[in-house]
Amino acid sequence: QSALTQPPSASGSPGQSVTISCTGTSRDIGGYNYVSWYQQHPGKAPKLMIHEVNKRPSGVPDRFSGSKSGNTASLTVSGLLPEDEADYYCNSYAATNNWVFGGGTKLTVL
Amino acid sequence: QLQLQESGAGLVKPSEALSLTCTVSGGSIGNNNYYWGWIRQPPGKGLEWIASIYWTGRSTYYSPSLESRVSLSVDTSNNQFSLNLSSVTAADTAVYFCARHAGYELFDYWGQGTLVTVSS
Repeated sequence: QSALTQPPSASGSPGQSVTISCTGTSRDIGGYNYVSWYQQHPGKAPKLMIHEVNKRPSGVPDRFSGSKSGNTASLTVSGLLPEDEADYYCNSYAATNNWVFGGGTKLTVL
Repeated sequence: QLQLQESGAGLVKPSEALSLTCTVSGGSIGNNNYYWGWIRQPPGKGLEWIASIYWTGRSTYYSPSLESRVSLSVDTSNNQFSLNLSSVTAADTAVYFCARHAGYELFDYWGQGTLVTVSS
């Protein structure tokens, strides 16, 4: 199963919004609403930010939002803060009983 | 607050087996209908899901690319689950994370990760 496709980098200035895409196929993103997003700071474990396309776990700021159209999912970070600078990974369920991650996007807050 | 902690050998010789254990604290591994999984991250690279096991040990899911070399087990009495990866090569060098795997949807609690280096 191939990894999902993410842009290697994204950037924005404080206060701005940035959107990170995650492209898969009809066998993963396009076939299921089981897309999740993870934030990873250097040397740390990933942290769940979005699940089931657009649901935020308790404690995650509402500046983080998710969406999906066809085979592409997106994570939008609004009102960028310096602490949002991190790597972001998407993940999707991919039949049968398989889960795939994207290659990761390094978000830089300028 | 649920906490997970990986443990095991940090250096493994090529062709040998990698063995890691994840100890869960702050909650019971067998308390709910969760799977428990392993994810790895080669240095400077992205995340790769390896496998997940149901808390009863009766159901396991494996990445197709690793299925032939992976085995998982659960020890509910010690609140632990374990990963065994056989016939390792340098390509298996990575930080290995354990995580709680909730249904089809998400990995919500993660260990801090442990670096395993494959080298002679």
